Amino acid sequence: EAQVTQNPRYLITVTGKKLTVTCSQNMNHEYMSWYRQDPGLGLRQIYYSMNVEVTDKGDVPEGYKVSRKEKRNFPLILESPSPNQTSLYFCASSDQARPSTDTQYFGPGTRLTVL
Amino acid sequence: GENVEQHPSTLSVQEGDSAVIKCTYSDSASNYFPWYKQELGKGPQLIIDIRSNVGEKKDQRIAVTLNKTAKHFSLHITETQPEDSAVYFCAASLSGSARQLTFGSGTQLTVLP
Repeated sequence: EAQVTQNPRYLITVTGKKLTVTCSQNMNHEYMSWYRQDPGLGLRQIYYSMNVEVTDKGDVPEGYKVSRKEKRNFPLILESPSPNQTSLYFCASSDQARPSTDTQYFGPGTRLTVL
Repeated sequence: GENVEQHPSTLSVQEGDSAVIKCTYSDSASNYFPWYKQELGKGPQLIIDIRSNVGEKKDQRIAVTLNKTAKHFSLHITETQPEDSAVYFCAASLSGSARQLTFGSGTQLTVLP
């Protein structure tokens, strides 16, 4: 089954404690992206990656890092989480080889609470 | 950058009635406009999209219209059913594809039985 998986699904942590949210897709997609979803703000893009070792900032990159060492994985790293990073996070992927017909597939989400 | 505004934020309709959600965008160069449905506890899922060279697109009970002059696009759901209850997001892209989307703030649609 084609899917995007995220782990963990729920995470409660404290300010300053480094954490990583993993994202993996099994569709051989080149393009992967991270979004955060906050009430009344919709989804905002944090970082995206066009392919392995190619990453770029989205609209709200401050406080986040990403890496793309393998095509299937795109982890989101919070080096020193703060309470304003409490949010619902989504990973997504799409097939860059066919941009005119691609669909962005979203993972199930990770709900992060930073105390 | 692009800015997308979505209205209304909540919408309640009776089962069988139609629902309309509207979005406006700021950058006239935007050329791809998808709509996503998000059910409780799940990630958004594409339900329909339209590109700037098309004025209307329909898929069974769902249709999207695009007015490039006014820079707005709308989602129309006819003969609503309880399973249509969800949060709906519009989005716009300058890339002609699903990458680097700017999303609206979402509409909570409730279909009352």
